[in-house]
Amino acid sequence: NAGVTQTPKFQVLKTGQSMTLQCAQDMNHNSMYWYRQDPGMGLRLIYYSASEGTTDKGEVPNGYNVSRLNKREFSLRLESAAPSQTSVYFCASSETQLSRDSDTQYFGPGTRLTVL
Amino acid sequence: AQSVTQLGSHVSVSEGALVLLRCNYSSSVPPYLFWYVQYPNQGLQLLLKYTTGATLVKGINGFEAEFKKSETSFHLTKPSAHMSDAAEYFCAVSLPYTGFQKLVFGTGTRLLVSP
Repeated sequence: NAGVTQTPKFQVLKTGQSMTLQCAQDMNHNSMYWYRQDPGMGLRLIYYSASEGTTDKGEVPNGYNVSRLNKREFSLRLESAAPSQTSVYFCASSETQLSRDSDTQYFGPGTRLTVL
Repeated sequence: AQSVTQLGSHVSVSEGALVLLRCNYSSSVPPYLFWYVQYPNQGLQLLLKYTTGATLVKGINGFEAEFKKSETSFHLTKPSAHMSDAAEYFCAVSLPYTGFQKLVFGTGTRLLVSP
């Protein structure tokens, strides 16, 4: 099992460029998440998907869009990158769909994004 | 709204010394509580979690944490630090019975271990 994989590992963009961060999990998990990690701020939830075909906004969704392509894959898109989106992005997944607030989330290795 | 406070952005200990990382939460109801560890250039992995039942929770790598409702705390301890424990540690909470897990993370504590 590879667990949660993310591509790319590193990316440098210019302001206004677009890109998509890819995430895939092979654990047959229902729920998937995108976080950003900034120094001194911990992790903040951008978007999540409780199940295939559903997505919802998290704490900091502005400037991002997501697609739950199938049960395995959950992508994050930056349509017009801004320097404020310079961050480390983590994808995570957890097993169950509903009412399981105690579930463990499994994290990918992260994508380090710099926007110039 | 729920929140998490981790006291100390950096904690330094000597190898073999006690590790104590502090976490306090603010929540209208007793939350579920988690400690995650992040090694350099890696994602987060679960150390331990408290949901219900016994308030002293044991995790991986010799770590444990005790849920103290009266103090709204969930401090992480390890009796004897090892060099391999050097990492960043995050406390997180989620509210029960909301229909979906939304973790709220603290700002993290970097543990430095010296020989």
